[in-house]
Amino acid sequence: GAGVSQTPSNKVTEKGKYVELRCDPISGHTALYWYRQSLGQGPEFLIYFQGTGAADDSGLPNDRFFAVRPEGSVSTLKIQRTERGDSAVYLCASSLTGGTSDEQFFGPGTRLTVL
Amino acid sequence: AQSVTQLDSQVPVFEEAPVELRCNYSSSVSVYLFWYVQYPNQGLQLLLKYLSGSTLVKGINGFEAEFNKSQTSFHLRKPSVHISDTAEYFCAVTRGAGTALIFGKGTTLSVSS
Repeated sequence: GAGVSQTPSNKVTEKGKYVELRCDPISGHTALYWYRQSLGQGPEFLIYFQGTGAADDSGLPNDRFFAVRPEGSVSTLKIQRTERGDSAVYLCASSLTGGTSDEQFFGPGTRLTVL
Repeated sequence: AQSVTQLDSQVPVFEEAPVELRCNYSSSVSVYLFWYVQYPNQGLQLLLKYLSGSTLVKGINGFEAEFNKSQTSFHLRKPSVHISDTAEYFCAVTRGAGTALIFGKGTTLSVSS
């Protein structure tokens, strides 16, 4: 596709359940980022991939959060034992090379609601 | 550590009026600065960015911003707004030597007729 896509667009789950959120970056982009946007806040950085490897995962809030990008394209953000506080919009972005001045292109986000 | 402060959470204006959305940052290293816009039910879109050089940066949709190093500010301006400019605007700065962005909390611009 022409832009970054994310699925599902909405996810409702119960406290304690496991969820997976998917991101399809722009074709050819080596850098991929996950952010989380809570209500009334700006996006907060979670993790950055360069190719298949996580170059910076310092934004992951705890060990319930994990992300993979096994083939250097699609990425999956995984949340175990979800909590109500995990409710937010999860944004994915990609950039061509990951350079500091590269534009990050954002997907529409996945709205996660934990009941 | 770097941080971004957007001084106004909401800015209501009338159509064709000028607008300024304020952004201040703190950083101990050189930074790159960005403004993103989020229209209702859409993803974040880059408006403009400051990398180096001229401190006045022009972006899409008639927006511009001025980098002021002494005041650590990067305010966004438009001389005449349209109804279609109604959106959430985010100021952002790169995070240290890496490439992840640190965002402000956003400013809601509401343009009415």
